[in-house]
Amino acid sequence: LAKTTQPISMDSYEGQEVNITCSHNNIATNDYITWYQQFPSQGPRFIIQGYKTKVTNEVASLFIPADRKSSTLSLPRVSLSDTAVYYCLVLLQAAGNKLTFGGGTRVLVKP
Amino acid sequence: NAGVTQTPKFQVLKTGQSMTLQCAQDMNHNSMYWYRQDPGMGLRLIYYSASEGTTDKGEVPNGYNVSRLNKREFSLRLESAAPSQTSVYFCASSASGITDTQYFGPGTRLTVL
Repeated sequence: LAKTTQPISMDSYEGQEVNITCSHNNIATNDYITWYQQFPSQGPRFIIQGYKTKVTNEVASLFIPADRKSSTLSLPRVSLSDTAVYYCLVLLQAAGNKLTFGGGTRVLVKP
Repeated sequence: NAGVTQTPKFQVLKTGQSMTLQCAQDMNHNSMYWYRQDPGMGLRLIYYSASEGTTDKGEVPNGYNVSRLNKREFSLRLESAAPSQTSVYFCASSASGITDTQYFGPGTRLTVL
């Protein structure tokens, strides 16, 4: 069964770049890959969304290779306030077009 | 603009009791969603409503029912609560389409004893 997988956790230091990869086979054609950030006791918050190649906004970049079997969220120059759990969200075609979140990646930014 | 609001924030139920979780959005969005979040499991879709008058099952619909009361409101009902339904429940909405940007409420923490 197709799944969406992410690393469970990552540690980083202030000022470094953090890259989180989400693997997803058989993603729905023409559908977007979306990343969310979640702080404790809050709902997830939208970070970035993309369809192919590269998307950049004021907080992150999203890289999607041609085969669309994965995507990488890049957080440039992280700060302590970027400590959170990051989720990717995709529509899995092989699972009957099911909207599926990855399991989340806990990012800890150290001073 | 309150965004997505959920009530209650916390609830404790005994096994077999019923309750309804309320969700409302003031962004004039067409689509609404209910998720549950368990430790280490990420978010799993329970039900969603692509537009007013329609509802569809998500990944984990068993034990739940939903009602899209109008464009603003989407409720989740547990008819006979079970300890396995202890979780944090999030409601979300999006302008249109199930992969549009979703805006989440603050969540309801439910404990079933």
